[in-house]
Amino acid sequence: EPEVTQTPSHQVTQMGQEVILRCVPISNHLYFYWYRQILGQKVEFLVSFYNNEISEKSEIFDDQFSVERPDGSNFTLKIRSTKLEDSAMYFCASGGGSSYNEQFFGPGTRLTVL
Amino acid sequence: AQTVTQSQPEMSVQEAETVTLSCTYDTSESDYYLFWYKQPPSRQMILVIRQEAYKQQNATENRFSVNFQKAAKSFSLKISDSQLGDAAMYFCAYLPLNAGNNRKLIWGLGTSLAVNP
Repeated sequence: EPEVTQTPSHQVTQMGQEVILRCVPISNHLYFYWYRQILGQKVEFLVSFYNNEISEKSEIFDDQFSVERPDGSNFTLKIRSTKLEDSAMYFCASGGGSSYNEQFFGPGTRLTVL
Repeated sequence: AQTVTQSQPEMSVQEAETVTLSCTYDTSESDYYLFWYKQPPSRQMILVIRQEAYKQQNATENRFSVNFQKAAKSFSLKISDSQLGDAAMYFCAYLPLNAGNNRKLIWGLGTSLAVNP
């Protein structure tokens, strides 16, 4: 069964460093999302991506964040200069195809900013 | 604004018993989906069940079923014959369908379910 994959599973970085979180969505999906979950808190929407462009972004998704689909399969989230408060679980999700209104989640990347 | 409320931060159930997790939502839309996701300690987000708002019949998936009350904007999850592996955080989520390509899920705060042997 196809699934969304994410790498790395855990990323530790120093404050101010750039990180790139990678996702491989399900191959025939057209909609891609990033969400984050700070430990013990609710899941928050970051950004949605369709047709090679951002379709919506939240207030959290400021200039420090960017997304890219560089090669038609990967979907990346870049944080240019990480802050302590960026420490969270980051989930990639994809949707479309026959499961148009469902979002399938990857296993998440735990980002720890020191 | 569209919101999802889970009023039970924590619940517990005895193994083999039945438990119901509550979820209410606020929307002026008529066309939407509702979901329950399970998040075990591994923190993976697993889809448990979904409900299309236009369907009157409540969705079921094996031991999991929902009680969808559209007028009351209520969407509770019933877990029958609870198993130790059901212990997890459960999130209720709402997806509006009239937002074009902006299909972001709106989440509740979650309910932590403990299953006692």
